[in-house]
Amino acid sequence: QITLKESGPTLVKPTQTLMLTCTFSGFSLTSSGVGVGWIRQPPGKALEWLALIYWNGEKRYSPSLENRHTITKDTSKNQVVLTMTNLDPVDTATYYCAHTEEHWRVYFDYWGQGTLVTVSS
Amino acid sequence: DIVVTQSPDSLAVSLGERATINCKSSQSVFSSSNNKNYLAWYQQKPGQPPKGLIYWASTRESGVPDRFSGSGSGTDFTLTISSLQAEDVAVYYCHQYYGSPYTFGQGTRLEIK
Repeated sequence: QITLKESGPTLVKPTQTLMLTCTFSGFSLTSSGVGVGWIRQPPGKALEWLALIYWNGEKRYSPSLENRHTITKDTSKNQVVLTMTNLDPVDTATYYCAHTEEHWRVYFDYWGQGTLVTVSS
Repeated sequence: DIVVTQSPDSLAVSLGERATINCKSSQSVFSSSNNKNYLAWYQQKPGQPPKGLIYWASTRESGVPDRFSGSGSGTDFTLTISSLQAEDVAVYYCHQYYGSPYTFGQGTRLEIK
């Protein structure tokens, strides 16, 4: 049974750095083809894909965040970390991590419950 | 970037009736190398994360009722719910994974008439 869970601060001040952790179980991020992505959703708005890391260390990023974000993995801890710098109130959103099974099929079949991050002074 | 646009933004359908949601991509998401369309559909109920329904434009995720079906190719796609049930009230998103950045549509809110 695959599960993912996001954790991190719920309130961050503008210009600060955010670190979100996705802790997962039921799969290994060393298995060929497997990836974990981050997707966010501002309140009442649509989904936005942010970043993806694969079993082999390959990383993909959305250019919309203008290089403010970094994705890393720790396979020994079954964790993926998203770091975002220079936060702005527009970054207020629910942040989800999600599992994808195949390298060429970036379809997110399992999602965490999400964590709401508010950026405010 | 591939822009994905859904229509309509909201939809009200009577129980037992058909619901149709459209999705259009700004460029083709069909790959001739494997004859597949890189398009997925998700369902999101209030207060819940999205749930995958369909991938490769028409392949139903395991456990998804067969009243949900996906169709289309190239740039035009459709999600059809053949007989609307009360539990289908949700926001539906299409998602292209043909190229990075992977993009989602703006969502279609489905309600009961």
